[in-house]
Amino acid sequence: KNEVEQSPQNLTAQEGEFITINCSYSVGISALHWLQQHPGGGIVSLFMLSSGKKKHGRLIATINIQEKHSSLHITASHPRDSAVYICAVRFATNKLIFGTGTLLAVQP
Amino acid sequence: DAGVIQSPRHEVTEMGQEVTLRCKPISGHDYLFWYRQTMMRGLELLIYFNNNVPIDDSGMPEDRFSAKMPNASFSTLKIQPSEPRDSAVYFCASSLSSLGTGLQYEQYFGPGTRLTVT
Repeated sequence: KNEVEQSPQNLTAQEGEFITINCSYSVGISALHWLQQHPGGGIVSLFMLSSGKKKHGRLIATINIQEKHSSLHITASHPRDSAVYICAVRFATNKLIFGTGTLLAVQP
Repeated sequence: DAGVIQSPRHEVTEMGQEVTLRCKPISGHDYLFWYRQTMMRGLELLIYFNNNVPIDDSGMPEDRFSAKMPNASFSTLKIQPSEPRDSAVYFCASSLSSLGTGLQYEQYFGPGTRLTVT
């Protein structure tokens, strides 16, 4: 069983839709990261959070430590949001374990 | 800051050859990570360093892989001899840690090196 599970694996949305990507993990962690990987391959860190909620522009990340669950929300989605979104959990050792990613396609 | 710098960006080599990938972390960052990304296995941690010292190399696939960090501004990942199954994108990332707790802040990724072993 993977320690980090993401859903859905693939997601197609129409421009303007509200999008939610989920991440569940099985063990205690010190922090959770959301990463974005564009078709060109570069990886960008979107959020690092250990509790509550963070917002940056149209992106919102939440985490529920008790339920071992995090969500990434995109409001007013745009074709330029099309990318792979990767959840990663960090243990106290500072080691990162990655989810398999969610491939998002936003159609105009 | 130029961000994390990796070289080369692309490498094509023949099976059995030695491959060396290079990484320059962001100045002042005390953690450096090497990751490998394949279609089959996604992103995997290979090894990471803290203050130039290897902390966890449990992700290094086998003895053919080795990594060094001779100083705070340079690290190498070497594969000798290379095999076709080593074909992947190799990412280097760096981060800063809290002086008080030792826990990291967010990681910054380099552009990656796409390795093809024929």
